[in-house]
Amino acid sequence: QKEVEQDPGPLSVPEGAIVSLNCTYSNSAFQYFMWYRQYSRKGPELLMYTYSSGNKEDGRFTAQVDKSSKYISLFIRDSQPSDSATYLCATLSGGYQKVTFGTGTKLQVIP
Amino acid sequence: NAGVTQTPKFRILKIGQSMTLQCTQDMNHNYMYWYRQDPGMGLKLIYYSVGAGITDKGEVPNGYNVSRSTTEDFPLRLELAAPSQTSVYFCASIGGVNTEAFFGQGTRLTVV
Repeated sequence: QKEVEQDPGPLSVPEGAIVSLNCTYSNSAFQYFMWYRQYSRKGPELLMYTYSSGNKEDGRFTAQVDKSSKYISLFIRDSQPSDSATYLCATLSGGYQKVTFGTGTKLQVIP
Repeated sequence: NAGVTQTPKFRILKIGQSMTLQCTQDMNHNYMYWYRQDPGMGLKLIYYSVGAGITDKGEVPNGYNVSRSTTEDFPLRLELAAPSQTSVYFCASIGGVNTEAFFGQGTRLTVV
């Protein structure tokens, strides 16, 4: 079983739609959860970072963590063409700060 | 600050050739990582380092070697290139416990 599972998509939505991206994880020891955004031919960039269960908002983005079901989500409101990218969920654990990534979901927002 | 810098950006190797992918960070980060990214497969950890002089294997270390003689540099060595090593390679660094990972722009390697 992979430590972090993510639907690879691709996901195509019209501009203005609400986007929901999801991941599950297997290790209950994971405590820190992140969403990275990766544009084509670029390195990943941190988008959201959460620690506890619940929601965290940043502008049009909301990250949600449910530790009881080991489920993490990213919601994008009023999606824009500039949001078209691959979104990777990740967890951080261990003394050496290992970052474990999901496979990434490719999102396309159509104008 | 330049952040994490990787060179080269692109490279084509022949089977059996060797090369070194360079990674430098100017943020005085202790933790450094090498990942490879294949289509639809996410990022897989090759090697990591928790400080100068300390390195260890990740998920997919076979065919690679690393060294960490300074805090700033973390080169990745391919000794006998194989087609299976065709991938995009990312170097990353983390400054401290539970902080953000910064990534380089990647090295796109093709082995033919």
